[in-house]
Amino acid sequence: KNEVEQSPQNLTAQEGEFITINCSYSVGISALHWLQQHPGGGIVSLFMLSSGKKKHGRLIATINIQEKHSSLHITASHPRDSAVYICAVRLIQGAQKLVFGQGTRLTINP
Amino acid sequence: KAGVTQTPRYLIKTRGQQVTLSCSPISGHRSVSWYQQTPGQGLQFLFEYFSETQRNKGNFPGRFSGRQFSNSRSEMNVSTLELGDSALYLCASSPHMNTEAFFGQGTRLTVV
Repeated sequence: KNEVEQSPQNLTAQEGEFITINCSYSVGISALHWLQQHPGGGIVSLFMLSSGKKKHGRLIATINIQEKHSSLHITASHPRDSAVYICAVRLIQGAQKLVFGQGTRLTINP
Repeated sequence: KAGVTQTPRYLIKTRGQQVTLSCSPISGHRSVSWYQQTPGQGLQFLFEYFSETQRNKGNFPGRFSGRQFSNSRSEMNVSTLELGDSALYLCASSPHMNTEAFFGQGTRLTVV
């Protein structure tokens, strides 16, 4: 079982819909990152969370440390939000490396 | 403020050769980390440097190595290239370790 699991793997929605992407992890972490990757490879860091909730524009990220779960929400989705969204956790034990989920491919149709 | 710069953007090498990739972090950032992305394995952590010292290392063979210079620029080297090393190699910089990371555009390496 992967240390970081994302769901769904693929998501297609219509413009304007509310989007939720989930991330569950099974290890102790010091922080969780949400990343966005567009075709061509460039990655943008959206959020880094260690507790609670963060908001940036139409994006909201939450984390529940007790339940080892995080969600990324997109309100009023737009075709330009189409990308792969990746959850990554920073381990607190061992190499303290970043471990990545497999990504969620989001497609927003106009 | 300039972003993270990776060079070259694209590279084609032959099996058995070696390759060096370069990463220039955002000015003032002292932590640089490297990642490999393949369709099969997704994103995987290679190593992380801070103040010229390797602080963390992922599960990659010794053919993968790196270093960081006093100006925080970092290089990654892969020796005896294998077909499976074909991937997008991403570098990220942070002001310190365990802070938000800023990614470069990556170097796409193809081994033939």
